[in-house]
Amino acid sequence: ETGVTQSPTHLIKTRGQQVTLRCSSQSGHNTVSWYQQALGQGPQFIFQYYREEENGRGNFPPRFSGLQFPNYSSELNVNALELDDSALYLCASSCDRGNTEAFFGQGTRLTVV
Amino acid sequence: GDSVTQMEGPVTLSEEAFLTINCTYTATGYPSLFWYVQYPGEGLQLLLKATKADDKGSNKGFEATYRKETTSFHLEKGSVQVSDSAVYFCALSDLGGSARQLTFGSGTQLTVLP
Repeated sequence: ETGVTQSPTHLIKTRGQQVTLRCSSQSGHNTVSWYQQALGQGPQFIFQYYREEENGRGNFPPRFSGLQFPNYSSELNVNALELDDSALYLCASSCDRGNTEAFFGQGTRLTVV
Repeated sequence: GDSVTQMEGPVTLSEEAFLTINCTYTATGYPSLFWYVQYPGEGLQLLLKATKADDKGSNKGFEATYRKETTSFHLEKGSVQVSDSAVYFCALSDLGGSARQLTFGSGTQLTVLP
């Protein structure tokens, strides 16, 4: 059974650029949730994807968008990067829209300069 | 909205000391409660959970009891080890809309000295 994997592990982007982060969910999981963890803070819910559709969204602007593919892997896209977008981005996979335990990946550390 | 408040850190203890990390929550429904642990450079790992009032979650010597009357879920361990050094997050999951999202506290950094 493979775990949740995220890529890349680290990334540096310039303000105004766009970025795509990727997540492969654990085998058998159909739900992927994305979280943003700023330095020294707890993770904040961005959105959740269930069977390729957005299934809930936190308090993040529309420049944060995502996709889920038929194999349940997922992408997080952020447009028009701002300095405050610098954070650890965590992906969590689970079954049944999060009604079972969520397993987290190691995260992607994004730095915006 | 839902929220989680954790005791502020950092917390520094000597090996074999008793640990308590306080956690209180605010939720509109009947949430499930969790403790997650984050080791340096890693993602989050579920440490323990409780899904209803008076449930006790336990794992690796850590325990927490779901107290609905005090809206609390304090984490305890009787004898900490150096390997327990990490950041601990209290979290709740409430069925807001159709997504069962996690709401986290701000985390408590624990350092255990030999």
